[in-house]
Amino acid sequence: DIQMTQSPSSLPASVGDRVTITCRASQNINIYLNWYQQKPGTAPKLLIYAASSLQGGVPSRFSGSGSGTDFTLTISSLQPEDFATYYCQQSYSAITFGQGTRLEIK
Amino acid sequence: QVQLQESGPGLVKPAETLSLTCTVSGDSIRSYYWSWIRQPPGRGLQWLAYISNSGNTNYNPSLKSRVTISVDTSKNQLSLKVNSVTAADTAVYYCARLGVAGSGPYYYYHLDVWGQGTAVTVSS
Repeated sequence: DIQMTQSPSSLPASVGDRVTITCRASQNINIYLNWYQQKPGTAPKLLIYAASSLQGGVPSRFSGSGSGTDFTLTISSLQPEDFATYYCQQSYSAITFGQGTRLEIK
Repeated sequence: QVQLQESGPGLVKPAETLSLTCTVSGDSIRSYYWSWIRQPPGRGLQWLAYISNSGNTNYNPSLKSRVTISVDTSKNQLSLKVNSVTAADTAVYYCARLGVAGSGPYYYYHLDVWGQGTAVTVSS
């Protein structure tokens, strides 16, 4: 099984901050990496697929990068609606999610 | 616009079988791969299974012996069965569509449409 490890587990930040969340795979997964945002009581929402492709309708302040085992999700300027939990997910071999990163108000 | 709606019993007794249905509207279920994911209270996402548009299945190894995913094309519905449930199976269960990008031989699958989720509690 491919294990996905996110860091940090929680991230205090302020509106306007540039934030980066990291995801590491236990083996090479090429660019088979997706990012999701989840707000309390709602289903996850796809933000980024294939490591760096922005899903339609997602604001351009979200971006993804990386390949192989190391990936990042960056939010260039945090907005109030961005405080949520973020998950990475690999689709190289079956499907595995990271444990999540909670982005919280500082 | 495709929409997914999960349905099923909110309460299941231990050792029984949990059965859930996901109704797909706005698109043919034959056109895509489909998946089930769950989220225990206060915890992260756990992938359970997916099924391809040709009926091939793939299961989370930690649950494989207890989980069955299937599709009813006549009803445009996706189903999930989890047998011998315990309190550890208490969760919100989501169905989702696996969208795809890329071209041969590289196909990048991603969960692009989700249902709202249905909460299931295992308790006597």
